[in-house]
Amino acid sequence: SAVISQKPSRDICQRGTSLTIQCQVDSQVTMMFWYRQQPGQSLTLIATANQGSEATYESGFVIDKFPISRPNLTFSTLTVSNMSPEDSSIYLCSVEPTTDTQYFGPGTRLTVL
Amino acid sequence: GESVGLHLPTLSVQEGDNSIINCAYSNSASDYFIWYKQESGKGPQFIIDIRSNMDKRQGQRVTVLLNKTVKHLSLQIAATQPGDSAVYFCAERDGANNLFFGTGTRLTVIP
Repeated sequence: SAVISQKPSRDICQRGTSLTIQCQVDSQVTMMFWYRQQPGQSLTLIATANQGSEATYESGFVIDKFPISRPNLTFSTLTVSNMSPEDSSIYLCSVEPTTDTQYFGPGTRLTVL
Repeated sequence: GESVGLHLPTLSVQEGDNSIINCAYSNSASDYFIWYKQESGKGPQFIIDIRSNMDKRQGQRVTVLLNKTVKHLSLQIAATQPGDSAVYFCAERDGANNLFFGTGTRLTVIP
């Protein structure tokens, strides 16, 4: 398994600002993922962030809105840019230390006013 | 992405009874399925998985059944406890190795 932490755990932000969410894992992993979970809904994959390459974004998500960094094998950041109330969600990072099994962080609860 | 959905959005069971949570998936090429448990304020927690070459897999108090003919997945929880109260998600992995989640079922255990 893997122990994953995220910062901040929650935040309240103003419309038009940006927030960077950090994800730290206790072991080196190649594959990291960022998900969004809107209130009362399931998880939607935003992008896959592998160290040494550009993040791969899913349909409906673009780099300008959700820039991602992956500077090493234990850390990644997701920025939510130019926020609007529709961006209010829980943002989760996950890692896949072994084939197939993904482990999730505790999430960052974002509220945009 | 694939369509992965659940038949029942909510489920209430008496403590000690068995729980069955169902899930339908649409991609017949998916070869790996996972059940996650998400408690309030926490990230999803891996419960059990199953590959498409299996029909059944058992863990501690949990069993996953896979029916590929009708593209149906179920999670059975034996002797349900209050600590089992959570939202349960099924997820499938597609050919591109991406994970797609179902809509979730909220399980409430009545003491």
